[in-house]
Amino acid sequence: EAQVTQNPRYLITVTGKKLTVTCSQNMNHEYMSWYRQDPGLGLRQIYYSMNVEVTDKGDVPEGYKVSRKEKRNFPLILESPSPNQTSLYFCASSFAIGGRNTDTQYFGPGTRLTVL
Amino acid sequence: QKEVEQNSGPLSVPEGAIASLNCTYSDRGSQSFFWYRQYSGKSPELIMFIYSNGDKEDGRFTAQLNKASQYVSLLIRDSQPSDSATYLCARLGAADKLIFGTGTRLQVFP
Repeated sequence: EAQVTQNPRYLITVTGKKLTVTCSQNMNHEYMSWYRQDPGLGLRQIYYSMNVEVTDKGDVPEGYKVSRKEKRNFPLILESPSPNQTSLYFCASSFAIGGRNTDTQYFGPGTRLTVL
Repeated sequence: QKEVEQNSGPLSVPEGAIASLNCTYSDRGSQSFFWYRQYSGKSPELIMFIYSNGDKEDGRFTAQLNKASQYVSLLIRDSQPSDSATYLCARLGAADKLIFGTGTRLQVFP
């Protein structure tokens, strides 16, 4: 089954404790992306990756890191989480066709993160 | 001005009616547009994409795009209570980024 998986699905942590949210896709997609969703602000892109070893900042990258060592995985790292990073996080993937991507972006199930 | 604007709703329609959801965008160069449906606490799922002016139909759903007026809409015919969700409009930006509106909450009552 084609899917994007994320782990953990729920996480409560404390300020400053490093954490990693994993994302994996089994569709051989080049493009992967992380979004956060907050009430009244909608979905905003954090980081994206066009292919292995190629990552770039989205609209709200501060406080986050990513890596793309393998095509299927795109972990999101919070080195020192703060309460303003409490949010619902989604990973997404798709085939990338150089800016004219009409293929669907598949979203993972989401990770609800609370930072106390 | 937000890049993609939607009325937050809720939009309430009776079962069997046509629900009309609207979205406007600011970037005249935008080419591709998407409608996603999101149930509470779940991930967005793609309903339709459209990149040509005019209408595109898929089952009970019709997407309409008017690039001159910079709006895109989604019509849901024969609305069902199971259609109750938040509908997200998005345009494709540079580097394949999806730029989302904040969504319109649709309520279909029996």
